[in-house]
Amino acid sequence: NAGVMQNPRHLVRRRGQEARLRCSPMKGHSHVYWYRQLPEEGLKFMVYLQKENIIDESGMPKERFSAEFPKEGPSILRIQQVVRGDSAAYFCASSPPKGGGEDTQYFGPGTRLTVL
Amino acid sequence: KQEVTQIPAALSVPEGENLVLNCSFTDSAIYNLQWFRQDPGKGLTSLLLIQSSQREQTSGRLNASLDKSSGRSTLYIAASQPGDSATYLCAARRANNDMRFGAGTRLTVKP
Repeated sequence: NAGVMQNPRHLVRRRGQEARLRCSPMKGHSHVYWYRQLPEEGLKFMVYLQKENIIDESGMPKERFSAEFPKEGPSILRIQQVVRGDSAAYFCASSPPKGGGEDTQYFGPGTRLTVL
Repeated sequence: KQEVTQIPAALSVPEGENLVLNCSFTDSAIYNLQWFRQDPGKGLTSLLLIQSSQREQTSGRLNASLDKSSGRSTLYIAASQPGDSATYLCAARRANNDMRFGAGTRLTVKP
């Protein structure tokens, strides 16, 4: 059973471009979470999704950021018109569909976004 | 709002020492608390997960404790090794799946 997969692992964008980060959850997992880690800081929750639904986006910046988890395919975190402050490591985690707080979140290796 | 704090921010010890990493959280209504290891430029590896009804969990040389009433958790590492060098993160999780992370403790174990 492959773990959580994220791609690309490294992404370089110029200011004003769009960044698309992909996350494929573990097989059988229907819950996906996105976190952002700024240099020398801990992970900050961004958004929690289930298939075709955004459950909690309280950690998402109000502008330029969006996330989706379609019925088929990976979850996508999209950042429009990137700025230098968006440079960070973005981690995706997944958990199985039973729900509740008992379920461990399994983390992917992260995508490191650098904005020039 | 849940705030998670980890002390110290960095720790350097000689090989073989036992050590304790501290994690505190402001909202005691947690569902579980989890300790992770993060190596430079890498993702997170789950070490131990303590449910809110539990007091501690052990795995090999690692022991994690949880005191909900005081809002504290500790990670104890016995007989530290250079391979233990990494950043250790704790995360407090609420029932709505919201996880709040501390900023981490950067551990260096010197041979």
